[in-house]
Amino acid sequence: DTEVTQTPKHLVMGMTNKKSLKCEQHMGHRAMYWYKQKAKKPPELMFVYSYEKLSINESVPSRFSPECPNSSLLNLHLHALQPEDSALYLCASSLWTASTDTQYFGPGTRLTVL
Amino acid sequence: GQQVMQIPQYQHVQEGEDFTTYCNSSTTLSNIQWYKQRPGGHPVFLIQLVKSGEVKKQKRLTFQFGEAKKNSSLHITATQTTDVGTYFCAPGDHTGTASKLTFGTGTRLQVTL
Repeated sequence: DTEVTQTPKHLVMGMTNKKSLKCEQHMGHRAMYWYKQKAKKPPELMFVYSYEKLSINESVPSRFSPECPNSSLLNLHLHALQPEDSALYLCASSLWTASTDTQYFGPGTRLTVL
Repeated sequence: GQQVMQIPQYQHVQEGEDFTTYCNSSTTLSNIQWYKQRPGGHPVFLIQLVKSGEVKKQKRLTFQFGEAKKNSSLHITATQTTDVGTYFCAPGDHTGTASKLTFGTGTRLQVTL
């Protein structure tokens, strides 16, 4: 199984809502990532989890809260988002973090904030 | 932070023509990966280059890493409509506890019959 799954595929939320994005992989990967991608732009790294611990936070606003309940799951909790946070949110995983290894991306969640 | 520019931003070719995208960094890179993202899709890994001057081929795709490890290129011979998408280079970096990729600006390829 070389698949990273993400739910939901699409999400529309208001600025006062609380929602969560979910990501799952069963490849035994120990590094998981959240990226944000705006239209016609490259993916921008938000967070890196290494062995279920937060390793990198790229100065992401606190309205985005990541969580790694176990080695297969990665969540991104959303609260009080702004319309400019509308984007494609991509999850990725890789085998380990000791080297720059291949990242496997999920299909993404397309988020619209009204 | 590290800035990686890709040129061109966009290229439209006719099927059968060749295509090249260039990736340029202001700093020396330890390694570089290339990803392809189809319209409406997600990035998919193509290749990783590590050594100075390295050249790798995958069928019609040829990847090069510059001698100074500051630039890289992807060349597609005889493009097909299936090559449509955005091609990103992505230098890798280690921070001690994790590795990360910084995606280049991307080159969007359109191929028509």
